[in-house]
Amino acid sequence: EPEVTQTPSHQVTQMGQEVILRCVPISNHLYFYWYRQILGQKVEFLVSFYNNEISEKSEIFDDQFSVERPDGSNFTLKIRSTKLEDSAMYFCASSATGQGLGYGYTFGSGTRLTVV
Amino acid sequence: KNEVEQSPQNLTAQEGEFITINCSYSVGISALHWLQQHPGGGIVSLFMLSSGKKKHGRLIATINIQEKHSSLHITASHPRDSAVYICAVPRGNQFYFGTGTSLTVIP
Repeated sequence: EPEVTQTPSHQVTQMGQEVILRCVPISNHLYFYWYRQILGQKVEFLVSFYNNEISEKSEIFDDQFSVERPDGSNFTLKIRSTKLEDSAMYFCASSATGQGLGYGYTFGSGTRLTVV
Repeated sequence: KNEVEQSPQNLTAQEGEFITINCSYSVGISALHWLQQHPGGGIVSLFMLSSGKKKHGRLIATINIQEKHSSLHITASHPRDSAVYICAVPRGNQFYFGTGTSLTVIP
């Protein structure tokens, strides 16, 4: 079964450093998403991406965050200057449609980011 | 304001018990997801349903769109069912997630 692959599975970084979280969505999917889950809290939407541009973003997704699809397969989330409160599990997801109906909506296994 | 509410937050059951997890939502939707989050953190989609009932193995999900309520049932629960179960509703290009129900099944 097709999978969304995220790397690394766990990343530790110093406060103030830049991090890039990587995702390889399912190959024929067109819509890409990042979510995060702070420990003990619910999953929160960060951003959706379609046709090489952001289609929707939450208030969490401020100027410190950016997303990119640098080639035909990778989808990245960059945090420019990490803060302690950025420590969370970050999930990538992709879907065949953008209607949120979830057909083929698939999550990656997550990257646990720890900022120290 | 929580668009999606789940209950209970925590649930402990003996192996073999029938389990029900409830989800209520306040927004108009056409479909709802039930997700399972493993202890390691990964998320797996269990069901997407827009009406009635769906069954997959020992898992059954029901939804009442008019009442804005869905339930996830696990029959003959097993310790490997221990996980966090999350209800999620789509809105546009994103999901609103419930806070999750942490299920522990004791042998």
